[in-house]
Amino acid sequence: GENVEQHPSTLSVQEGDSAVIKCTYSDSASNYFPWYKQELGKRPQLIIDIRSNVGEKKDQRIAVTLNKTAKHFSLHITETQPEDSAVYFCAARAMDTGRRALTFGSGTRLQVQP
Amino acid sequence: DVKVTQSSRYLVKRTGEKVFLECVQDMDHENMFWYRQDPGLGLRLIYFSYDVKMKEKGDIPEGYSVSREKKERFSLILESASTNQTSMYLCASTLPGSHAPEAFFGQGTRLTVV
Repeated sequence: GENVEQHPSTLSVQEGDSAVIKCTYSDSASNYFPWYKQELGKRPQLIIDIRSNVGEKKDQRIAVTLNKTAKHFSLHITETQPEDSAVYFCAARAMDTGRRALTFGSGTRLQVQP
Repeated sequence: DVKVTQSSRYLVKRTGEKVFLECVQDMDHENMFWYRQDPGLGLRLIYFSYDVKMKEKGDIPEGYSVSREKKERFSLILESASTNQTSMYLCASTLPGSHAPEAFFGQGTRLTVV
């Protein structure tokens, strides 16, 4: 089955700096890669996703890049703010065949220091 | 807005008890999932269901069962609770297919088995 690895497990940055979180996946059939943000005591919520037919997607201060050949994808947050502090999860899924469920990475705790 | 609601936010149960965790969604989603969240391990899939009375095992089904008698409700059952089942449990739902793959999560149930 799919295996998703996520690094780093913790990340501390100064406000205004950029943050990068990286994930690798094992199943070449995976073609959907979402990122979820979980604030303390709250439910995970989708912040951005990318499908395998594109290499990059941006939404204001966040962007995701995908390298299908290397089977890795990354989340980039620019101009970080204290409210970006949360746990971030990457995930992967093959939408068209097989498993219907997302496989998640182990999470990255991002701390933005004011 | 999609609403996924879990019946309890916090539960404390004794070892050996039978425990029911309930999840209800109001968006007519076919797919429903139960994940377990532990620090450093991310979200691990316990069971999922893609239709009423249909279920499939996830990655860590041992010690758990599920029930889906109605489309909107998906129950997770701990047949005989053990201390190693102390965890945060998250329910999620999605539409089938690839046009709207976002998973919507419930608020989580923090279960403590003593």
